[in-house]
Amino acid sequence: KAGVTQTPRYLIKTRGQQVTLSCSPISGHRSVSWYQQTPGQGLQFLFEYFSETQRNKGNFPGRFSGRQFSNSRSEMNVSTLELGDSALYLCASSLGEWRVEAFFGQGTRLTVV
Amino acid sequence: GIQVEQSPPDLILQEGANSTLRCNFSDSVNNLQWFHQNPWGQLINLFYIPSGTKQNGRLSATTVATERYSLLYISSSQTTDSGVYFCAVARGSGANSKLTFGKGITLSVRP
Repeated sequence: KAGVTQTPRYLIKTRGQQVTLSCSPISGHRSVSWYQQTPGQGLQFLFEYFSETQRNKGNFPGRFSGRQFSNSRSEMNVSTLELGDSALYLCASSLGEWRVEAFFGQGTRLTVV
Repeated sequence: GIQVEQSPPDLILQEGANSTLRCNFSDSVNNLQWFHQNPWGQLINLFYIPSGTKQNGRLSATTVATERYSLLYISSSQTTDSGVYFCAVARGSGANSKLTFGKGITLSVRP
């Protein structure tokens, strides 16, 4: 079956702009989580959505937001981009209940200039 | 929050050698996964192993949950094994299912 699909793969944005990233989970998976990877901070949890509800949130400013649709697809949005937002953004999906094994997409590499 | 430490941070091997990568964690966990990050950034699932031992080809893993550590063994290493290996843990399911990652182990396998 198809894996986790993230679009776009690469993105270049200017400071102050906003960006929307998309994630389609594995079919049947109801939980989608987002992570940010930077050389300095490593992999950090952003937020998790389950059945269209944010179930958990990491320690990121309010400029980072997300949502999940009824088909479990998720989007994350970053407003007022800063240079420090340049990172690899990874999305993971899991069944979301008792089975918590996470499967990751290929990521979206965001560069803010 | 839960702490995850991986060691060693860097490992250089000759092709054909064996290696052991370690992951220590600070609290009881419901989920422990090992990943290999490919050059394009994708995290490839190696093992889902909150406890016990599993094997997949040249790779095997053991988690001793009561002592809060996990080991990833790579035997007869190949150049394609190069890359960064991450251990990630989660306390539970549902709202406690977020993964906390270690800093990773960079493995270089020389031909």
